Amino acid sequence: DIQMTQSPSSLSASVGDRVTITCRASQGIRNDLGWYQQKPGKAPKRLIYAASSLQSGVPSRFSGSGSGTEFTLTISSLQPEDFATYYCLQHNSYPGTFGGGTKVEIK
Amino acid sequence: QLQLQESGPGLVKPSETLSLTCTVSGGSISSSSYYWGWIRQPPGKGLEWIGSIYYSGSTYYNPSLKSRVTISVDTSKNQFSLKLSSVTAADTAVYYCARGILDYWGQGTLVTVSS
Repeated sequence: DIQMTQSPSSLSASVGDRVTITCRASQGIRNDLGWYQQKPGKAPKRLIYAASSLQSGVPSRFSGSGSGTEFTLTISSLQPEDFATYYCLQHNSYPGTFGGGTKVEIK
Repeated sequence: QLQLQESGPGLVKPSETLSLTCTVSGGSISSSSYYWGWIRQPPGKGLEWIGSIYYSGSTYYNPSLKSRVTISVDTSKNQFSLKLSSVTAADTAVYYCARGILDYWGQGTLVTVSS
């Protein structure tokens, strides 16, 4: 099984801050990775697919990078509606596996 | 606009079988080249992909659940279903259905395992 290690597990940030979340895969997964945002009581919403492609309708302040085993989600300027939990998902091997999540809280 | 909706009992007794159905609207399960899957999330915890099915019936399951899981498809109703046998309290979770590599999701349904 491919393990996804996501860090940090939580962070506190202010509106306008630049935020970076990292996922590391236990083996190479090419660019078979997505990033999701989940708000309380809601289903996850995909933000990024193929490691760096922005899902239609998602604000451009979200970006993804990486390939192989190291991946990053960046929020360039944190907005009030961005406070949520973020997950990475690898789908190089099926079924895919999620990272443990990063809760982004208000400082 | 594609929509997915989970349905099924919200309470299941220990040792019994959990059964859920996902109804797809705004698109046909059998006319697309996607797998259709189930994901779950225990309260306050992370996400776990249970398994997926193609309209032809081809499936793949999470090895940790494989012995207890069956996913099936009914193309005439545009639905796919999940059965999880011998449930315990550890199977209490919000269960989601989703398309392909999880681009579209249902809203989720909470299933509690309790006597």
